[in-house]
Amino acid sequence: QKEVEQNSGPLSVPEGAIASLNCTYSDRVSQSFFWYRQYSGKSPELIMSIYSNGDKEDGRFTAQLNKASQYVSLLIRDSQPSDSATYLCAVGGPGGQNFVFGPGTRLSVLP
Amino acid sequence: ETGVTQSPTHLIKTRGQQVTLRCSSQSGHNTVSWYQQALGQGPQFIFQYYREEKNGRGNFPPRFSGLQFPNYSSELNVNALELDDSALYLCASSLLPQETQYFGPGTRLLVL
Repeated sequence: QKEVEQNSGPLSVPEGAIASLNCTYSDRVSQSFFWYRQYSGKSPELIMSIYSNGDKEDGRFTAQLNKASQYVSLLIRDSQPSDSATYLCAVGGPGGQNFVFGPGTRLSVLP
Repeated sequence: ETGVTQSPTHLIKTRGQQVTLRCSSQSGHNTVSWYQQALGQGPQFIFQYYREEKNGRGNFPPRFSGLQFPNYSSELNVNALELDDSALYLCASSLLPQETQYFGPGTRLLVL
């Protein structure tokens, strides 16, 4: 059974700080990794995808992937109150037919 | 370019009834995946369709069934509804099965 785990929340950070969100996965053959943001009552929206080991930056967001450690993280720099949401880590296998989502980490950015 | 759409947005049913949820994929996308999201949990994979063929299924009972049409829109059917089926049902489309999935707004189902 494929599993994806995320650091339990809620996570609270002050405005302007760096928020660090972590995710581990059990299936070694996983090949695609995604971070989604979900506001309360809304559907998930894509923040970033990452497929190769290392860092990938997009604006204030940086995703980090370490396949050897089966670990993927998301850093949010200069956190804003509008970043307050649940962050979902999703992992896809080689065939892509089964995206497994983690339970999510709720982030609160305090003004 | 239109995004993923779902209908209806909200639905109330009673136990034992049947329900059909609909999804239109994003333009150019031939893969549709369905998820169930209970309150406070991450989405759980129900199944995926790729070019009208089922391309994977999660741990859901057979009363959850689906279909994908030639225009790549899709339906999720749930028979013999149970109280625990109350959840947000999400549809996501992608260019190919292994590529980024984009979600529709979801259908919130309440079973009484």
